[in-house]
Amino acid sequence: DAKTTQPTSMDCAEGRAANLPCNHSTISGNEYVYWYRQIHSQGPQYIIHGLKNNETNEMASLIITEDRKSSTLILPHATLRDTAVYYCIVRVAGGGADGLTFGKGTHLIIQP
Amino acid sequence: DTGVSQDPRHKITKRGQNVTFRCDPISEHNRLYWYRQTLGQGPEFLTYFQNEAQLEKSRLLSDRFSAERPKGSFSTLEIQRTEQGDSAMYLCASSSLRATGELFFGEGSRLTVL
Repeated sequence: DAKTTQPTSMDCAEGRAANLPCNHSTISGNEYVYWYRQIHSQGPQYIIHGLKNNETNEMASLIITEDRKSSTLILPHATLRDTAVYYCIVRVAGGGADGLTFGKGTHLIIQP
Repeated sequence: DTGVSQDPRHKITKRGQNVTFRCDPISEHNRLYWYRQTLGQGPEFLTYFQNEAQLEKSRLLSDRFSAERPKGSFSTLEIQRTEQGDSAMYLCASSSLRATGELFFGEGSRLTVL
């Protein structure tokens, strides 16, 4: 699986959009971008994933650049409950070596 | 509650003792994963099962660790002769075959080895 680079931490004001960047310059053509988050003392939670098109669900939007070397997770109206560590992961969907590899992620702190 | 459940949530043991953790995945999920997480780090993959078959084991899974999923439903992770370095959160997750990248995690089992 390709490696990813994320900022260690970010702040965002409550009610504003939180934009979390991720660099994955060595991503392969068949690798998807996945985002998870982990709220303190809980297990990680799946948020969204995509291959090359932008994706949106009830939790977030995922914007992937045309060259697929980076992506941004957008939480449109951040709340205090969105304070968590956010992990960006790239992997082959359904691949044989299925262990999702988590890095250290971005610690997002939503400020009141 | 139809999510992934883990038991016990907390375990304190003395060095050298054996411990066993249990994971009950979402019932229709074929895949079950074990991860370990230490303070300040992301979860580290240990092993995963597809039904009852253990398909991959990380090099982190030393000989003292063994995982089973005998009937393709619940799984157990046993650590023999625990060491202080085994202190961590042990996370279980499950996924369907249709969406193998969408893992559903349990709350974890926190192990403290004294």
